[in-house]
Amino acid sequence: QQKVQQSPESLTVSEGAMASLNCTFSDGTSDNFRWYRQHSGKGLEMLVSIFSDGEKEEGRFTAHLNRASLHVSLHIREPQPSDSAVYLCAVSPMNNNAGAKLTFGGGTRLTVRP
Amino acid sequence: AQTIHQWPVAEIKAVGSPLSLGCTIKGKSSPNLYWYWQATGGTLQQLFYSITVGQVESVVQLNLSASRPKDDQFILSTEKLLLSHSGFYLCAWRAGSAETLYFGSGTRLTVL
Repeated sequence: QQKVQQSPESLTVSEGAMASLNCTFSDGTSDNFRWYRQHSGKGLEMLVSIFSDGEKEEGRFTAHLNRASLHVSLHIREPQPSDSAVYLCAVSPMNNNAGAKLTFGGGTRLTVRP
Repeated sequence: AQTIHQWPVAEIKAVGSPLSLGCTIKGKSSPNLYWYWQATGGTLQQLFYSITVGQVESVVQLNLSASRPKDDQFILSTEKLLLSHSGFYLCAWRAGSAETLYFGSGTRLTVL
């Protein structure tokens, strides 16, 4: 069974400084990796998805995948206080059929100080 | 544009009472629909999914049930709530095997 762990549990950065979040997974055959964020009491907003080793950029958000090391990271460039939220890593299996289950990590709570 | 609406926004219910949470997706026909649950301090877990009207698959057993009475509607319910049902319930949809899962804004359930 896929296990997804995120680190750190919480992170505080100053506005404008790069924020880096980490996610490790146990099953290297997984295909899809996504980063979501959740503002307090709200639903999930997808930020970036990545399927191949390397980097993928969506605006200020860049995901970096390294399957060999079972690691995917998220880097937030020039974070703003409005980026303060819980960031969730989600992994889904190779067969992305209808029932394919997203396995979420426990999240990283990011606080961006003005 | 597609929209997803969940109701209610929040509920406070007594142990043993019934529950019904709803989710409606507009602007997309025949979406795949999902219920997720997040216990306080816990991780998100997929509970149910549905590919078509009338068909629902259970992923995790939590003494809850789900139904899809219409193409655009997904209902989560139970006749008797447990304390352990407290948490945040999220409905989500995606178009077939497409990559993106779109989430609603959630329902916070407190069982006392």
